[in-house]
Amino acid sequence: QVQLQESGPGLVKPSETLSLTCSVSGYSISSGYYWGWIRQPPGKRLEWIGSVFHSGSTYYNPSLRSRVTISVDTSKNQFSLRLSSVTAADTALYFCARGGRGPHDYWGQGSLVTVSS
Amino acid sequence: EIVLTQSPGTLSLSPGERATLSCRASQSVWSTDLAWYQQKPGQAPRLLMFAASSRATGIPDRFSGSGSGTDFTLTISRLEPEDFAVYYCQQYGSALSITFGQGTRLEIK
Repeated sequence: QVQLQESGPGLVKPSETLSLTCSVSGYSISSGYYWGWIRQPPGKRLEWIGSVFHSGSTYYNPSLRSRVTISVDTSKNQFSLRLSSVTAADTALYFCARGGRGPHDYWGQGSLVTVSS
Repeated sequence: EIVLTQSPGTLSLSPGERATLSCRASQSVWSTDLAWYQQKPGQAPRLLMFAASSRATGIPDRFSGSGSGTDFTLTISRLEPEDFAVYYCQQYGSALSITFGQGTRLEIK
């Protein structure tokens, strides 16, 4: 069974960088698929942030591209999100999931990140 | 960016009734690139349908999907108590961006 688990700080100060890691078990990232990040601000719709292939190739939501970096570490079977220059508008529940050039079929439980001083 | 608009915003029905949820795209979407998700409070979304009409693993056959071009539909033939949740459509085929609809809340009448 494929399982994903987000980890990282729950509180980030404005203008700083948000960093989250997704640990994958039950499936080797090296075997394929895109792996992505999706967020959900309180009471709002889901927003795709970006996805990374096991080779390291990425594609991002154009509205966030200038601030987003997604990377993969196949040796640890993890992938990571960095979002720079955060503001209160980046406060959200952040999910990692398998998928990108296809539907997102496995999801983590989500990690709440609050941007506040 | 392809904008997905779902209707209605809220649907109030009773268990045993039929639910029909709509998703309209601002431009044509390949049927192979349309998915539906169910989300319950405090949980991650769960994939229900992909390629517009294919059920994901473990999804009961009371769920069905249809549509093409700009109009897609999720139908739940007979509502069970566990089906009351928020439903999102998603397109994942655009080379520019993956997008989600704003969601339809299915509530018990």
